[in-house]
Amino acid sequence: KNEVEQSPQNLTAQEGEFITINCSYSVGISALHWLQQHPGGGIVSLFMLSSGKKKHGRLIATINIQEKHSSLHITASHPRDSAVYICAVRKWVGGADGLTFGKGTHLIIQP
Amino acid sequence: DSGVTQTPKHLITATGQRVTLRCSPRSGDLSVYWYQQSLDQGLQFLIQYYNGEERAKGNILERFSAQQFPDLHSELNLSSLELGDSALYFCASSVSGTSGSLKTQYFGPGTRLLVL
Repeated sequence: KNEVEQSPQNLTAQEGEFITINCSYSVGISALHWLQQHPGGGIVSLFMLSSGKKKHGRLIATINIQEKHSSLHITASHPRDSAVYICAVRKWVGGADGLTFGKGTHLIIQP
Repeated sequence: DSGVTQTPKHLITATGQRVTLRCSPRSGDLSVYWYQQSLDQGLQFLIQYYNGEERAKGNILERFSAQQFPDLHSELNLSSLELGDSALYFCASSVSGTSGSLKTQYFGPGTRLLVL
């Protein structure tokens, strides 16, 4: 079983819809990242969370440490939001810092 | 633009060959991470360097090695290449190198390696 599980794997929605992507993890972590990867391949870090909630524009990320669960929400979705969204965790491993990744959610927003 | 640069952008080579991928971190960042993204395995952490020293190893094969130089740029060396090594290789950098510091990682544009 993967240490980081995302759902759904694929999501197609209409422009303007509220989008939720979920991430569950099974290990102790120091932080959780949400990343965005566009078709060209580049990866952009959207959020880094260790507790609570963060908001940036139309994007909101939440984390529940006790339940080992995080969600990424997109409000008023737009076709330019179409991308792969990847959840990644930074495990507590004696000072090391490498990320462990989920398999990603492929989001398509149709006009 | 994340400020992290990687060269080359694309690389095509043959099985059995050796290649070197280069990464320059953001100005001021001491940590460099290497990641591999393949179709079957997804994104995987390979190795981390902090201020010239190896900090952590992930799923890095023995045929692969890396180093970080005094100017903080890093190189990932891939040898005895196999078809399965075809992947996107990303470099990322951050200011610090420990779990407790909670600094974000900035990703480079990646090097797309094709082994024929």
